[in-house]
Amino acid sequence: RKEVEQDPGPFNVPEGATVAFNCTYSNSASQSFFWYRQDCRKEPKLLMSVYSSGNEDGRFTAQLNRASQYISLLIRDSKLSDSATYLCVVNPNAGNNRKLIWGLGTSLAVNP
Amino acid sequence: DVKVTQSSRYLVKRTGEKVFLECVQDMDHENMFWYRQDPGLGLRLIYFSYDVKMKEKGDIPEGYSVSREKKERFSLILESASTNQTSMYLCASTRGLNEQFFGPGTRLTVL
Repeated sequence: RKEVEQDPGPFNVPEGATVAFNCTYSNSASQSFFWYRQDCRKEPKLLMSVYSSGNEDGRFTAQLNRASQYISLLIRDSKLSDSATYLCVVNPNAGNNRKLIWGLGTSLAVNP
Repeated sequence: DVKVTQSSRYLVKRTGEKVFLECVQDMDHENMFWYRQDPGLGLRLIYFSYDVKMKEKGDIPEGYSVSREKKERFSLILESASTNQTSMYLCASTRGLNEQFFGPGTRLTVL
């Protein structure tokens, strides 16, 4: 089993749709979790950190389910500009961010 | 505004050449990283450094070395470039548990 697994997609959705991605991780001791966004031929950028209680930032909601070892990202009211690859990232270490485990990404295309 | 810069966006080298990739950050971060990203394989960590002159191997260090003589600068060296090192190389930096900031990447082609 891979350490971090994501459905590669692509997810093709119309503008205004709600779309959700899941990511599973294998190390139950993992400490912190992130979603990064990567546009085509660009560098990854942090979208959200994922907290135990779940967190929301505008149209984006991230949730953590430790019992089932997955994190999710929900995007409401999708915009064309949301088209990108979304990378699930897991930090297995307490106390530092040195060796993160990166998923392969989920590709999202929002269509007019 | 935070910034990580990389010396080249595109680079073409020949097999056997020595290649230097430079990364500079202006955020006074102690941790710096070199990744490569390939289709279907995602981001893979080559080396990281948590302090000046300190380095640790990542998941795929073979064929690479690094140098960190100053806090703001982290160099990746390909001692003898090979075609299987054709890839996108991404540098990142972070402080503690905060987010990793990435440079724009260097797309290296080895012929």
